[in-house]
Order: sequence, then C-alpha cells, then structure tokens
Amino acid sequence: EDQVTQSPEALRLQEGESSSLNCSYTVSGLRGLFWYRQDPGKGPEFLFTLYSAGEEKEKERLKATLTKKESFLHITAPKPEDSATYLCAVQAGGQNFVFGPGTRLSVLP
Amino acid sequence: DAGVTQSPTHLIKTRGQQVTLRCSPKSGHDTVSWYQQALGQGPQFIFQYYEEEERQRGNFPDRFSGHQFPNYSSELNVNALLLGDSALYLCASSDAAQGLNTGELFFGEGSRLTVL
Repeated sequence: EDQVTQSPEALRLQEGESSSLNCSYTVSGLRGLFWYRQDPGKGPEFLFTLYSAGEEKEKERLKATLTKKESFLHITAPKPEDSATYLCAVQAGGQNFVFGPGTRLSVLP
Repeated sequence: DAGVTQSPTHLIKTRGQQVTLRCSPKSGHDTVSWYQQALGQGPQFIFQYYEEEERQRGNFPDRFSGHQFPNYSSELNVNALLLGDSALYLCASSDAAQGLNTGELFFGEGSRLTVL
C-alpha cells in the first residue's frame, strides 16, 4: 500500500531562519511526487512536481529535492507569509494522489 | 478566469441524513476528483470522474457516490451520514491531457461538513 509520512508535524521558525521539511514515501512505481501549500480554510495550492531522484525545483524561497525514498522542501530565509501547511503527495500507478498529513509551518516576525 | 468553485461552503447534518455537495471545475478542465480531509490530516482520495464516468475509486464505502454532468461539473453524495464523515470535502479539477501527469490539480476551497 502506498504511504506518505511527513516530519516534523509542526515547525515554528523565526523570520529569516532557514529549515527543511521532510516527506518520506513508500510506493510501487512512483510516477511523481508533489508539494502543495494549504492556507487555513483554503484548498491546497500546487507548488512543485518531481519525477526522478536527483531532481530539484525552485520557486522564490522554496526548493524541493527528491531521492529514492524521500523528498525535502527547503525554505530559505522564510517570511511570515510562508506560514501554511505544506502537503506532500505521491502518484503511483493509478490516477489518484496519496497525500501525507502535512507539516504546519509558522514563521514568526 | 473562474477557478474551482464548490457549494455549499459549510453545512450541518445529523446522523443518518444524506448530503449532496457540488463542484464546478476550472474553465477548460474535464476531470474532477473528490477528496476528504479530516481535521489535521492530509486529503484522502474518494473518486475521480472523467467523461461522466467514475474512473477510479479510493477506499470509501458505497455510501459515497458521485456524478459528473456533460458540462464537467460534479456532485458528491453521501448517504446515511456518520459522525466520522465530518470533514472538509475538496474538489480538484484537472485537464486529463495534462494535469494528471504534472500533479497540478486545482482545488476548490472545500465544503465543510459537520455531522451531529
């Protein structure tokens, strides 16, 4: 069964304090790994897709990387507006996405 | 360009009742997926509709059913509601030719269902 775990469950950072979020997955035949951002009371918003080990994607202060067993979302010099829940999801053989529980990030000014 | 719209935004039902949730996909999208998100959890896949047919289904009982209309809009129906059905129900749309291979599902803001 495809599984996704994320750590830490919650993370509090000071503005400018860089850190990384982890997504570990177990899947047969990974087609893609995806990162989403979800603000309170909103639906998830797409950030990145990673397809193969060694791949990296960047967007503003965020960089996502992928290995054969896990993905990292690196946040460089975060700002309060980066506060959100970050969700990781994998797509295997089917058309559905398996999401992890998310990491709640709080960036304090 | 209207994104994914869902209705109602909030609703309260009692155990045993039935509920219908509605979703209009983003313009140009033909595929609709439904997800259930319990508080503090990630979304869980319920099912996906394409060309008015259920194409794939997650691990949800038959109490959960759906429909897609010719204009690509969709409904999620839940019968015999249980307390455990309380959750945020998310609709996601995509273009079958592109989105499912890129991960760029477009989500609505969800329908918050509370079962008492």
